[in-house]
Amino acid sequence: DTEVTQTPKHLVMGMTNKKSLKCEQHMGHRAMYWYKQKAKKPPELMFVYSYEKLSINESVPSRFSPECPNSSLLNLHLHALQPEDSALYLCASSSPGTGNEKLFFGSGTQLSVL
Amino acid sequence: DAKTTQPPSMDCAEGRAANLPCNHSTISGNEYVYWYRQIHSQGPQYIIHGLKNNETNEMASLIITEDRKSSTLILPHATLRDTAVYYCIGLITGTASKLTFGTGTRLQVTL
Repeated sequence: DTEVTQTPKHLVMGMTNKKSLKCEQHMGHRAMYWYKQKAKKPPELMFVYSYEKLSINESVPSRFSPECPNSSLLNLHLHALQPEDSALYLCASSSPGTGNEKLFFGSGTQLSVL
Repeated sequence: DAKTTQPPSMDCAEGRAANLPCNHSTISGNEYVYWYRQIHSQGPQYIIHGLKNNETNEMASLIITEDRKSSTLILPHATLRDTAVYYCIGLITGTASKLTFGTGTRLQVTL
């Protein structure tokens, strides 16, 4: 199984809503990532978890709250988002320390904030 | 990590080889060259990587110049499904978390 599964595929939310994005992988990868991608732009790193601990936070606003409950799951909790947060949110995983920096990406969640 | 430079767009006829160039003149000796692509509305997909030797897999070939200042990704028989944005990235082993996407090359494969 070489898949990273993201749910939901599409999400529309109001600025006062609370929602969560979910990411799952069963490749035994111990590093997981959240990226944000605006239309016609390259993906930008938001967070990195390594061995279930947050190792990188790229100065992301606190209205985005990541969580890694176990080695297979990664969540992104959303609260009080702004319309400019509308984007494709991508999850990825990799196997740290193996000398291979190959990241496996999910298909993303297309988020619209109204 | 090395700054990479790629042409913003390229066209290729279906069935022909697509040769995508990447300049990385500041690459250090322990930096690998990684290639990813992103088909519209999907997540990026790993293609291939190399250090100094040419590499080939089922998807593509990677040719790295002897001075390592540039490389070329070759899709030997491009199909319409290869239409995507292709990213060339320099990475040191153990630094996957520093994978930073540039603007890439938008490859359009046409009939």
